[in-house]
Amino acid sequence: DAKTTQPNSMESNEEEPVHLPCNHSTISGTDYIHWYRQLPSQGPEYVIHGLTSNVNNRMASLAIAEDRKSSTLILHRATLRDAAVYYCILRDVTGNQFYFGTGTSLTVIP
Amino acid sequence: DAGITQSPRHKVTETGTPVTLRCHQTENHRYMYWYRQDPGHGLRLIHYSYGVKDTDKGEVSDGYSVSRSKTEDFLLTLESATSSQTSVYFCAISDLAGGPRNEQFFGPGTRLTVL
Repeated sequence: DAKTTQPNSMESNEEEPVHLPCNHSTISGTDYIHWYRQLPSQGPEYVIHGLTSNVNNRMASLAIAEDRKSSTLILHRATLRDAAVYYCILRDVTGNQFYFGTGTSLTVIP
Repeated sequence: DAGITQSPRHKVTETGTPVTLRCHQTENHRYMYWYRQDPGHGLRLIHYSYGVKDTDKGEVSDGYSVSRSKTEDFLLTLESATSSQTSVYFCAISDLAGGPRNEQFFGPGTRLTVL
């Protein structure tokens, strides 16, 4: 599976939008972009995924660059409960393994 | 929340002793996974199962074995624990291997310390 690159940490003020970047320059045409997050002392949980088009759900939005070499997870209004490690993962549709990497640790400042 | 439990939740053991961690699910999902999480490494896949008695290795399988005799249980065994296996272990399940979403649901984790 292709690898992703994320900043180690980011900070955001509460109630402001947060843009979490991810670079995946070696992405292949069959790779889906997945985001998971891990709250303190918990297992990871699914956030969102996409292929080419931008995606929205109740948790977040995913903006995918036109060349698909990067993507951005957008939290529209950060809350204290959004403080977590966010993982950007590429997954081939035929594969059954995830490679999580080290993710971005998001701190939300009250 | 997906019905996944892990036992024990915490364990301290000594080098050279065997250790078995259990993952139990009530979702009847076909696929089950064991990950370990260490500082600076994120989550790394140890072994996974794609059905009863069907298992395969992940990227860090050395020193670990698994068994799955029932759909609901996936056991991870450290035959002779070493200090390098001190970690937090997560079990995950999913009902699909392929397909675009393949959401994995994670258990609460087991913190293992090998002295």
